[in-house]
Amino acid sequence: NAGVTQTPKFRVLKTGQSMTLLCAQDMNHEYMYWYRQDPGMGLRLIHYSVGEGTTAKGEVPDGYNVSRLKKQNFLLGLESAAPSQTSVYFCASNSGTSGGAYETQYFGPGTRLLVL
Amino acid sequence: GQNIDQPTEMTATEGAIVQINCTYQTSGFNGLFWYQQHAGEAPTFLSYNVLDGLEEKGRFSSFLSRSKGYSYLLLKELQMKDSASYLCAVRDLQYKLSFGAGTTVTVRA
Repeated sequence: NAGVTQTPKFRVLKTGQSMTLLCAQDMNHEYMYWYRQDPGMGLRLIHYSVGEGTTAKGEVPDGYNVSRLKKQNFLLGLESAAPSQTSVYFCASNSGTSGGAYETQYFGPGTRLLVL
Repeated sequence: GQNIDQPTEMTATEGAIVQINCTYQTSGFNGLFWYQQHAGEAPTFLSYNVLDGLEEKGRFSSFLSRSKGYSYLLLKELQMKDSASYLCAVRDLQYKLSFGAGTTVTVRA
């Protein structure tokens, strides 16, 4: 049981390049999330999904797109990378069914992205 | 949305107790979480409160007052491995979490 995994772990892009970050979970969770974490600002929600085929905007969605074609995967795309998108990106998931203590979100190890 | 405040940094001595406060303003409250995050790693779940009162889990305890929009995380018998960032997060009715900026705790020998 790998939990939540993210690919790649680290990437350097030039301004204007595109890339896709992959998040995979093997816990059969319905809900998945993409966050970015910047120094002094905490985790901010980019986009999220409440089930296969659904996506919704979070707090900071501009410059990002997402897709949830399969329940276990949630992809985050940057169409034209900008230096302001330099950050650490975390994916998370939870089952979304019970609403209790075990509805904590489980986080992947993160992807460090540097845009030059 | 949510507005969540917590101190930026705290320092304490090994074996001591530290209390990290978190205040929040919310448009829809559905629980408060505390996460621990070591440098370069992912956040991991520590505690959860949805009703007022104290929840104790070993050396860690968390308290919630919904009427005051206030929570604290209490770390007892501090160990060097407790040096980390502690994140307060409020969940809304759509299961989304809003995070505070985190409190970096440094434990000194």
